[in-house]
Amino acid sequence: DTGVSQDPRHKITKRGQNVTFRCDPISEHNRLYWYRQTLGQGPEFLTYFQNEAQLEKSRLLSDRFSAERPKGSFSTLEIQRTEQGDSAMYLCASSSTGGSYEQYFGPGTRLTVT
Amino acid sequence: QQPVQSPQAVILREGEDAVINCSSSKALYSVHWYRQKHGEAPVFLMILLKGGEQKGHEKISASFNEKKQQSSLYLTASQLSYSGTYFCGTADTGFQKLVFGTGTRLLVSP
Repeated sequence: DTGVSQDPRHKITKRGQNVTFRCDPISEHNRLYWYRQTLGQGPEFLTYFQNEAQLEKSRLLSDRFSAERPKGSFSTLEIQRTEQGDSAMYLCASSSTGGSYEQYFGPGTRLTVT
Repeated sequence: QQPVQSPQAVILREGEDAVINCSSSKALYSVHWYRQKHGEAPVFLMILLKGGEQKGHEKISASFNEKKQQSSLYLTASQLSYSGTYFCGTADTGFQKLVFGTGTRLLVSP
């Protein structure tokens, strides 16, 4: 069991640039979640997938944010035209639908928009 | 609405016990507890489900009062490694998103 992985771990970008993050869930998990966390706060839900279907999106996910999980395995989160307010830790978590509901988090991608 | 945790912060000496509470205004299906150290991702500690099922680490215990929509995490014989911020995450259905609480900062000193 290799755990949830995320890439890159850190990203520094200039305002207005596009960025893309990748998440690889635990292999047998078919649920995948994206959260965002700012300093001193708990994670905030952004969106989640069951297999390749995106089932819910938060109001936090503006038109500049898009997420995909094309083959039901890894997922990408893209932010277009980044703003300084997008600076945060982006966390991915996965869970199984086979009777266990706990979500396991990856190490996160820390985004800094300058 | 975000669950409220209490206390906001607690300082313990190694070996002491602590209780962290999580209270929601909504009916809950499950409560999840995580510990997060600075700059790291949340680490799963415990899940408590409506109906009484729970799963988690051996040295961690917790309770879930469904009627009061409250959960408590019990840390006994604390160790230095217990230091960090504890979050509860609540879900009102089985597979839905977690809404995280306000957090409790725990510091265990030698």
